Amino acid sequence: GAVVSQHPSWVICKSGTSVKIECRSLDFQATTMFWYRQFPKQSLMLMATSNEGSKATYEQGVEKDKFLINHASLTLSTLTVTSAHPEDSSFYICSARDPSPGTAETQYFGPGTRLLVL
Amino acid sequence: AQSVTQLGSHVSVSEGALVLLRCNYSSSVPPYLFWYVQYPNQGLQLLLKYTTGATLVKGINGFEAEFKKSETSFHLTKPSAHMSDAAEYFCAVSTYSSASKIIFGSGTRLSIRP
Repeated sequence: GAVVSQHPSWVICKSGTSVKIECRSLDFQATTMFWYRQFPKQSLMLMATSNEGSKATYEQGVEKDKFLINHASLTLSTLTVTSAHPEDSSFYICSARDPSPGTAETQYFGPGTRLLVL
Repeated sequence: AQSVTQLGSHVSVSEGALVLLRCNYSSSVPPYLFWYVQYPNQGLQLLLKYTTGATLVKGINGFEAEFKKSETSFHLTKPSAHMSDAAEYFCAVSTYSSASKIIFGSGTRLSIRP
């Protein structure tokens, strides 16, 4: 199946700093990528939909100024957690939609990034 | 709007026994249905998906699921559990009209007893 990578796989930062997470589709071009957040022992919560060349669409309750999303190319989307605080500590997962015919727009997920804010 | 309900947050079976993870969905239009598996501290891996056509879908690692429209169900089964199947399993629903948004169930943790 298609491969999606994330970098870094984990990051520890001080409160007040900003952290950038990259999501790349390695073997297909993804016009649409998604960012999820997952708390321990819980399901994935969709944060935003990232569209190449346009502004991201945020889900209700997600602060767009807090979680900046940029989708500058067909293979890369970035999520920047600005002025991170301990409550932002979580597991962040991205996915990329494969637009190829016959895939039913299946989403392929990255391995996740664990963020710990001290 | 779509929704997914996974019955049982934790299922425990013996090695070699049948695995059955239950999933019911709600959708006003024909759904796309997925099962994903997540191992600790990892992302999600697609096990199988139903879009159209044959209602019995076979996936990786010996798993399969059957789409039953009359029951709005998409239960995941495997005839014989292996220790390596221990993980978190998520059922999910999407539709073409939802711009590929996937709605996830709450997840079921599968434990395998030796």
